[in-house]
Amino acid sequence: GENVEQHPSTLSVQEGDSAVIKCTYSDSASNYFPWYKQELGKGPQLIIDIRSNVGEKKDQRIAVTLNKTAKHFSLHITETQPEDSAVYFCAASGTSYGKLTFGQGTILTVHP
Amino acid sequence: NAGVTQTPKFQVLKTGQSMTLQCAQDMNHEYMSWYRQDPGMGLRLIHYSVGAGITDQGEVPNGYNVSRSTTEDFPLRLLSAAPSQTSVYFCASRGPGTSGLGQFFGPGTRLTVL
Repeated sequence: GENVEQHPSTLSVQEGDSAVIKCTYSDSASNYFPWYKQELGKGPQLIIDIRSNVGEKKDQRIAVTLNKTAKHFSLHITETQPEDSAVYFCAASGTSYGKLTFGQGTILTVHP
Repeated sequence: NAGVTQTPKFQVLKTGQSMTLQCAQDMNHEYMSWYRQDPGMGLRLIHYSVGAGITDQGEVPNGYNVSRSTTEDFPLRLLSAAPSQTSVYFCASRGPGTSGLGQFFGPGTRLTVL
């Protein structure tokens, strides 16, 4: 089955800096890669996603890049703000789009 | 539009007890799933359903049962609770086809098995 590795497990940045979280996946058949943000005591919330026919996608301060050859994808957050502090999860899915395999999560802390 | 709702929010069980975690969505989503979240392990898929009357196993199905009698509801049953089932459980749903790939998650149920 699919295996998703996520790094780093914790990330601490100053407000205004950029943050990058990286994930690798094992199944070359995976073609959908969402990113979720989870705040304390809440369920994960989809923040951005990318399909395998696209190399990069941006949404304001958030961007995701995908390298299908190397089987890795990354989340980029620019101009970080304290409210960006949360746990971020990457995930991958193949033809059965609902069967997501998640990475282990990254705790992002943005210091004012 | 309440989205995905889960009850209860918290539950404490003794080993061997049974219970049902409730999940409902009001978005007419075909696809629903259950995940468990454990520290350092992300979320792992327990069971999923692609529509009423259809269910299938995910990555960690042992000890759990599901049924899908309606589009709206997808309960998760623990038949005989074990301490290894102490976790936070999330229900999720998404729309049909590839246009609605993003899954909506409920607020979670924190379960402790003593």
